[in-house]
Amino acid sequence: AQKITQTQPGMFVQEKEAVTLDCTYDTSDPSYGLFWYKQPSSGEMIFLIYQGSYDQQNATEGRYSLNFQKARKSANLVISASQLGDSAMYFCAMRERTYSGAGSYQLTFGKGTKLSVIP
Amino acid sequence: EAGVAQSPRYKIIEKRQSVAFWCNPISGHATLYWYQQILGQGPKLLIQFQNNGVVDDSQLPKDRFSAERLKGVDSTLKIQPAKLEDSAVYLCASSARPSGRTRPKYNEQFFGPGTRLTVL
Repeated sequence: AQKITQTQPGMFVQEKEAVTLDCTYDTSDPSYGLFWYKQPSSGEMIFLIYQGSYDQQNATEGRYSLNFQKARKSANLVISASQLGDSAMYFCAMRERTYSGAGSYQLTFGKGTKLSVIP
Repeated sequence: EAGVAQSPRYKIIEKRQSVAFWCNPISGHATLYWYQQILGQGPKLLIQFQNNGVVDDSQLPKDRFSAERLKGVDSTLKIQPAKLEDSAVYLCASSARPSGRTRPKYNEQFFGPGTRLTVL
């Protein structure tokens, strides 16, 4: 079974509108973390937002918020007031302990969603 | 604070040739990662170092790939001999232990710009 599933290969959104990018995950580690990264066409991976498995509240970072539904194992990214610069690939990733050493974690990425913002 | 540095940015080789990539992590970051990102997919972890020791190399094709992190700072990833399916972007990332008070709080990984490898 895939650990991270992003079911939307591509999404379009009108400028200034909000958009939700879906992510579901699967893990047996009770202490996991979920990340969203943005990858523009230039190639670098940019950290956007983090949600820990024990966090009671949904994470927010500026225009980014994470809709965390633990029972459903979903961690959807919501981008409000989309801008043209938001056009990029978006990756959901899950951090789990590797048990290979103290404090060692492994990050598993989904296949990504390509977001296109339309003027 | 300087980010993760990688070189070269682009490399084109023919199959069966060898190639090496270099990574310099953020100063003070103990953990270093090498990822392979094939076009249209998410990054896949190849190897993870904690200081100069290997933590996880379960997905590294050891018959042709090798990596080292001498002195626990810079790292090199080598492919010998290269195959067509090795065409990908090779990303290096580093992370520090989360402190809970200052960034990085989440043990997030900071990525370099990547090296785009094309094998002909």
